[in-house]
Amino acid sequence: QQQVKQSPQSLIVQKGGISIINCAYENTAFDYFPWYQQFPGKGPALLIAIRPDVSEKKEGRFTISFNKSAKQFSLHIMDSQPGDSATYFCAAALSSGSARQLTFGSGTQLTVLP
Amino acid sequence: DAGVTQSPTHLIKTRGQQVTLRCSPKSGHDTVSWYQQALGQGPQFIFQYYEEEERQRGNFPDRFSGHQFPNYSSELNVNALLLGDSALYLCASSLGRISQYFGPGTRLLVL
Repeated sequence: QQQVKQSPQSLIVQKGGISIINCAYENTAFDYFPWYQQFPGKGPALLIAIRPDVSEKKEGRFTISFNKSAKQFSLHIMDSQPGDSATYFCAAALSSGSARQLTFGSGTQLTVLP
Repeated sequence: DAGVTQSPTHLIKTRGQQVTLRCSPKSGHDTVSWYQQALGQGPQFIFQYYEEEERQRGNFPDRFSGHQFPNYSSELNVNALLLGDSALYLCASSLGRISQYFGPGTRLLVL
């Protein structure tokens, strides 16, 4: 019930195209859904996050779509660039008092071809 | 403003040894979380420290322990190392429940 399932495992997109990564969760107690970007040899960097009472959030070229009834959320990267090539992780957070525990998906390796 | 820093960057140990990893949170952050990231996988939550106490713990054995100091920095200790403990260990800091920011990690190799 704590799992977050992420797909696809890898994704190849042409420059200027749209990259779409999907995640699904089971635990309805999750209350915060961030996306992280990780480059080789680096720690994950927070990209964008959404709360379950919002259906969509956009920041620049990155958009999260959230479907609470389906327990699914997705990341859309518009006008994908070669510099976006990285591993992307969705996560879901369980908050308890002052603490928040993140459960991560298995990651999507994105390659944007020039 | 320095972000989250971790030391050392790389570490090689042998089975049965003990290791201590260190983390300094981002300025203004009071909460430190530790994650283990095996190669090709997402990070897995180990535990979280707030006000020098362990607040939450993931599914990790007691060989994994930690500490938070009054200046909010933190240590992760792993005893009786196993080959399977080889991973990237990530520290993330936050201000309470607000978004977690990750450090670059410590790459641990157990031989």
